[in-house]
Amino acid sequence: NAGVTQTPKFQVLKTGQSMTLQCAQDMNHEYMSWYRQDPGMGLRLIHYSVGAGITDQGEVPNGYNVSRSTTEDFPLRLLSAAPSQTSVYFCASRENYEQYFGPGTRLTVT
Amino acid sequence: SQQGEEDPQALSIQEGENATMNCSYKTSINNLQWYRQNSGRGLVHLILIRSNEREKHSGRLRVTLDTSKKSSSLLITASRAADTASYFCATAIIQGAQKLVFGQGTRLTINP
Repeated sequence: NAGVTQTPKFQVLKTGQSMTLQCAQDMNHEYMSWYRQDPGMGLRLIHYSVGAGITDQGEVPNGYNVSRSTTEDFPLRLLSAAPSQTSVYFCASRENYEQYFGPGTRLTVT
Repeated sequence: SQQGEEDPQALSIQEGENATMNCSYKTSINNLQWYRQNSGRGLVHLILIRSNEREKHSGRLRVTLDTSKKSSSLLITASRAADTASYFCATAIIQGAQKLVFGQGTRLTINP
């Protein structure tokens, strides 16, 4: 199993641009989530999904959209990038309560 | 503010010594988990302790949970250079049990 994969690994955007961070898992987990990690802030939950077609907001959802059309994929869309969205983004899937994290996407917004 | 807060924020010890990290939280939990993050990598699950458990072991890891004090500790015995990483506690709160709330982490450095 590849586990949880994320693309791209690095991305630089200009303010106002939009983009989609890709996340896929091959473990058939129903629950998936997106976090952002900022220095000194730990991980903060952006959005999560408990199954295909079902998504909900986490702690810091503003400026981000998600969809879950399949069990495997959970893309995160930045609608209009802002410098405050400079961060490292982690996708995770979950079995019972144990979360499996992807390697992360380092995003810089200038 | 964060549900889980780790203490200390940074810890530096000699190889072979034991490392203890603490986590405090605010609301009632279903379970508490510890994760490790190596520099530039994703988090890796280490151990889960349920709210009705007081202590759990996994290899060189020992986790305790005191629900009356809303605190947990992670002990790594006989530390190795490869244990150098950041360690995070995460709480699965009872309300909205689908979510894990992470603390800010403890940066552990093992000196050879």
